[in-house]
Amino acid sequence: AQSVTQLDSHVSVSEGTPVLLRCNYSSSYSPSLFWYVQHPNKGLQLLLKYTSAATLVKGINGFEAEFKKSETSFHLTKPSAHMSDAAEYFCVLNTDKLIFGTGTRLQVFP
Amino acid sequence: ETGVTQSPTHLIKTRGQQVTLRCSSQSGHNTVSWYQQALGQGPQFIFQYYREEENGRGNFPPRFSGLQFPNYSSELNVNALELDDSALYLCASSLGTPTFETQYFGPGTRLLVL
Repeated sequence: AQSVTQLDSHVSVSEGTPVLLRCNYSSSYSPSLFWYVQHPNKGLQLLLKYTSAATLVKGINGFEAEFKKSETSFHLTKPSAHMSDAAEYFCVLNTDKLIFGTGTRLQVFP
Repeated sequence: ETGVTQSPTHLIKTRGQQVTLRCSSQSGHNTVSWYQQALGQGPQFIFQYYREEENGRGNFPPRFSGLQFPNYSSELNVNALELDDSALYLCASSLGTPTFETQYFGPGTRLLVL
């Protein structure tokens, strides 16, 4: 079965500290993986995508993710959190349709 | 902003009624996908339309149906509404079937069923 598991439902960080949002996947095939962000009352926005090229993927707003096949993981990181990063983040497995994780709510404190 | 628009933004219906949600895709995109996002959950795939034909369906009953028009805009119809249909409904457009194509999401329609 193909699935995505986001390991934390909530993550809280202070502004200026690193962000780590964890995602594990299960796929019978070589996966295509995305991270999307959802701000309140806004549509989902693509942060970055992995499609079997470089394993370290850089996205918008300073985010990056590393694909690790041995660990079946695709964790999202950012060196320094900003208040505007507060949002819901979704790890997504792309098969013939998008399979979303349950989401991680990121809170950023001043 | 992605260029994908949805209407209406909010809707209140009662059980048993029917509802139609609309989506205008980004210019040049010929594929539209619909998702249901229940409160506190990730979006779940309902179905996809490519060049006016259904091109894949998730685990939703037949009372969820759709259409895609020649201009590639789309409708989602839900018959015999149930309380559990209360959710945010998202549409996403892309160019071609989105195996590796980026899907661009609209802001959603929030449906409340009483």
